[in-house]
Amino acid sequence: GAGVSQSPSNKVTEKGKDVELRCDPISGHTALYWYRQSLGQGLEFLIYFQGNSAPDKSGLPSDRFSAERTGGSVSTLTIQRTQQEDSAVYLCASRPSKKRETQYFGPGTRLLVL
Amino acid sequence: RKEVEQDPGPFNVPEGATVAFNCTYSNSASQSFFWYRQDCRKEPKLLMSVYSSGNEDGRFTAQLNRASQYISLLIRDSKLSDSATYLCVVIPNTGGFKTIFGAGTRLFVKA
Repeated sequence: GAGVSQSPSNKVTEKGKDVELRCDPISGHTALYWYRQSLGQGLEFLIYFQGNSAPDKSGLPSDRFSAERTGGSVSTLTIQRTQQEDSAVYLCASRPSKKRETQYFGPGTRLLVL
Repeated sequence: RKEVEQDPGPFNVPEGATVAFNCTYSNSASQSFFWYRQDCRKEPKLLMSVYSSGNEDGRFTAQLNRASQYISLLIRDSKLSDSATYLCVVIPNTGGFKTIFGAGTRLFVKA
């Protein structure tokens, strides 16, 4: 079946612009995560959605970052007034409802802020 | 102290060698543990879950030591295709939904 998809695959933007990154999770997966991975670094947790529960936003680095998940499916991560340090790969993952089960990652969006 | 720590490596080993990685975690209430594999410029993929009793999947063995708060991954008979970054993953039992990834250990298997 279809895996997690993300768009765009690459995004180049100028400092100060806003960007929107999209994630389409696997159908039926109730949980959705956003992570950020800088070059040569590990994954940094950003935000988590689980069904209709309030999202866990504890990993968002600043108030310039926000995310929505509409209808329990597609999610959008928005970065306002982008800075050069926002340049990274943004990865989305989804999983079924139980915690122990694996997360399935999308291919990521490579963001470059000039 | 980081919540999850790994030796970044790189580990350079010849084909056929046995190699082991450790990962330490700081939250003693952590409840779920995994090893993921990430190839260069690719997304992470689950390698195996780590169970309290230890578990094996072919050439790969994972173990959990709750008393010392670490998990380990042992790779036997290394293959060239095992070259990748191995990420330790911990789900803490903090009431939230965070998943904590280690920064990864790089492995190079050489012919």
